[in-house]
Amino acid sequence: QVHLVQSGAEVQKPGASVKVSCKPSGYIFTTYAIHWVRQAPGQRLEWMGWINTGNGNTEYSQKFQGRVTITRDTSANTANMELRSLRSEDTSIYYCARGDHLDHWGQGTLVTVSS
Amino acid sequence: QTVLTQPPSASGTPGQRVTISCSGSSSNIGSNTVNWYQQLPGTAPKLLIYSNNQRPSVVPDRFSGSKSGTSASLAISGLQSEDEADYYCATWDDSLNGRYVFGTGTKVTVL
Repeated sequence: QVHLVQSGAEVQKPGASVKVSCKPSGYIFTTYAIHWVRQAPGQRLEWMGWINTGNGNTEYSQKFQGRVTITRDTSANTANMELRSLRSEDTSIYYCARGDHLDHWGQGTLVTVSS
Repeated sequence: QTVLTQPPSASGTPGQRVTISCSGSSSNIGSNTVNWYQQLPGTAPKLLIYSNNQRPSVVPDRFSGSKSGTSASLAISGLQSEDEADYYCATWDDSLNGRYVFGTGTKVTVL
């Protein structure tokens, strides 16, 4: 069975950074890309970027370019998403999802940005 | 930022058929296959339809997808109370160099 388990909720101050991790299981980590998607309270899904877990190549949404970095650790079978220069509007649930079709999703990580 | 346009809401009584539209452009839906996701309240999204009209094995055949030109549709036949959820279309956009875009989302209410 495929599962994606994410790190726990975070509270950060404006201007700080946050790193969310995603640990898949049930398949070979490097055979599927990992996407990151966020959802502000009551809002639609918003794609942030993805990583080719095989070669480490990344693509980011223009909205987050320069502020987000997605990495992977093939020894730990983990993907990470770091968002910098946080502002209150970044308060959202952050999800990781697998593959070209985003066929399996993590449980979500609530990131709250508040002074 | 490019988004795909969906109606904000749709509704029906149990047993009815409900259709949700998703409008894009030649650089996204017109050039790529469409996926659909269901998000039940308070839960993570779930893949419902991939590659325009393919269903994962766990998805009931009441759900079907189609695509024509720069638009796509999701149909729910035999509407059930547990289908009350938010639905999102999504696809890649060639004008954005390998970036993925979601629709605006449609809230389906079972009356």
